[in-house]
Formats: sequence, C-alpha cells, structure tokens
Amino acid sequence: DTAVSQTPKYLVTQMGNDKSIKCEQNLGHDTMYWYKQDSKKFLKIMFSYNNKELIINETVPNRFSPKSPDKAHLNLHINSLELGDSAVYFCASSQVRAGGRKSSNTGELFFGEGSRLTVL
Amino acid sequence: QQQVKQSPQSLIVQKGGISIINCAYENTAFDYFPWYQQFPGKGPALLIAIRPDVSEKKEGRFTISFNKSAKQFSLHIMDSQPGDSATYFCAASIWGNTPLVFGKGTRLSVIA
Repeated sequence: DTAVSQTPKYLVTQMGNDKSIKCEQNLGHDTMYWYKQDSKKFLKIMFSYNNKELIINETVPNRFSPKSPDKAHLNLHINSLELGDSAVYFCASSQVRAGGRKSSNTGELFFGEGSRLTVL
Repeated sequence: QQQVKQSPQSLIVQKGGISIINCAYENTAFDYFPWYQQFPGKGPALLIAIRPDVSEKKEGRFTISFNKSAKQFSLHIMDSQPGDSATYFCAASIWGNTPLVFGKGTRLSVIA
C-alpha cells in the first residue's frame, strides 16, 4: 500500500495551459504539504494544510492554487503554466502540525514519489 | 535567504570509506534536525534525525553529530556502500511549529 500517492507521475504540457496534480495519503495524518524541487534538486515548501485548513502559503504565484477536499487529499492546480514552472512537485504528509504542537509523533515527513512537470 | 547551508554539493567515496556531509543553520530557534535520503525517481525519505539535547545519534552505519554552539550538524556514513549512492538533504525546523527547511542536497556516489 502506497502511503502518499500522487498522480500523474509525469506531465508534459504547453505554456499557458492549466493542469492539476492530485495527492492522497492513507496514513491518517492531519497535515499535508506541497514541495517544489527544481532542476538543481533544491526542495522548497509551497503550501501546507492542516485538516483542510491552509496554514502555510509561501511566496508562490497565485497561479498556484491548492485545494484540500478532506484531510487525506491535497490537490495542486496551476493556471497559465510558464516555462519556469517545470520541476518535480512533491506531496508530503506528517502528523506534526506546522503551527501547533502535538505529542507522541516523530515529525517525519512522508513524501510521495513526485510529479515531474515539463512545460514546453 | 538560505537558512540551512549544506556542503559539499557532490561527494565521491570509495566503497568501505566514510562519507561526511555537513550542514550549518542560522536560526537558533531550530530544534529538530533530520536527514533525508532521496534515490532517483523517488521522494525523499527520513534517514535519521536529532534533537539538540544530544550531541550525537547513531543508527547502524549512519551517525549525526550535532554542535549547538557552532550551529552545525553533520551526517557520517561509515563503511559506505554502492547502495548508499543517493542525494542527501539536511533539514531543520522548530519542532511542531514551522515546516522543514531543507539544505540544497549532496549527491553521494559510492564507487567500488
């Protein structure tokens, strides 16, 4: 059973298009994240949701809109794709809430396998 | 600004040797320091983590050394194996309060 699953794994599209990446976790975690990994492997947080509530929104263009229909799902929609959006996008989940404290947890982030987005 | 600086960017080690990766952080409020391992085509996975109440943590061949006064921590991989070849990321956060901030990664190649 995959703990954090993302679809699609690969996405190739033209500039200006709109695309979505879906993420689901079956770990029962309350907190989910989107990270962006650029061509140099740098991992940067984009968003964090806790129990469907947006708690972290880093400096990300508003063309990126996360949506969490329930605490097990966090989707990422990107409008008007640009060349610079090409990257690998990772979904992750954890039991630790960023913004509050929980006991009896390790703080471990569980990542999906990533969705490689290529904008032509 | 980069809150966690990681070096080296890449590392080549002979099989059986010791791999050492270093990280330095700026925010003195950070109190959780994990290392993540990422294989090609996969997401990062937690390898080992340390809290600042100890100066060293060992799990098998992997050891974290932590120097609070210098604001530095390092990963040592003893008896490095070709299967250890991966990208390693250090990270830091304020436990339960802020998301992980990652270093830029070190690509480790262990050659036979």
